[in-house]
Amino acid sequence: GQNIDQPTEMTATEGAIVQINCTYQTSGFNGLFWYQQHAGEAPTFLSYNVLDGLEEKGRFSSFLSRSKGYSYLLLKELQMKDSASYLCAVRAENRDDKIIFGKGTRLHILP
Amino acid sequence: EAQVTQNPRYLITVTGKKLTVTCSQNMNHEYMSWYRQDPGLGLRQIYYSMNVEVTDKGDVPEGYKVSRKEKRNFPLILESPSPNQTSLYFCASTLTSGVGSYNEQFFGPGTRLTVL
Repeated sequence: GQNIDQPTEMTATEGAIVQINCTYQTSGFNGLFWYQQHAGEAPTFLSYNVLDGLEEKGRFSSFLSRSKGYSYLLLKELQMKDSASYLCAVRAENRDDKIIFGKGTRLHILP
Repeated sequence: EAQVTQNPRYLITVTGKKLTVTCSQNMNHEYMSWYRQDPGLGLRQIYYSMNVEVTDKGDVPEGYKVSRKEKRNFPLILESPSPNQTSLYFCASTLTSGVGSYNEQFFGPGTRLTVL
């Protein structure tokens, strides 16, 4: 079956660093996405990993280990506006290029 | 401006009254999807379309229909809405489907539907 797991909620302090983990079990693998979603709004793209390793983009970094079925999103220098849900999504390997979403991690930032 | 638009943004209706939620993208994307998002369940795919006149069921297609007569439009049709279809709906488009290709999904702003 297809399964993506990520913590339901996390809390961190403004200015700190937080790591949001994602593990997946899918029928094949063709890339992993991270999206940010503020309450009531559309998801917006943050990162894409298809090879093992770390991708850095400003305050946000994403890591992938395909052998472990594991990824994390690292947010540095947290700001209040980073309070949002973070969605892990995997492109499974099939003819229709299906993207499967995790249920999301709601991140609360405390001042 | 490259975007995905949805209409209406908010809709309150009654059980059994047919409705259509429109979705349009101006990026010449081939691949379009409809998702619903419910608390605790995340984003679930309803239907998708890989190109004009090509549509297929996602994970939760019951009670929904779609059509793809033109590349830019992908309307979602609820023939006889029921209260369990109360949800937040997102349309999304992707340039193309292709193994190994970097295909970010662009999401519309969402449609909040309430069925009484």
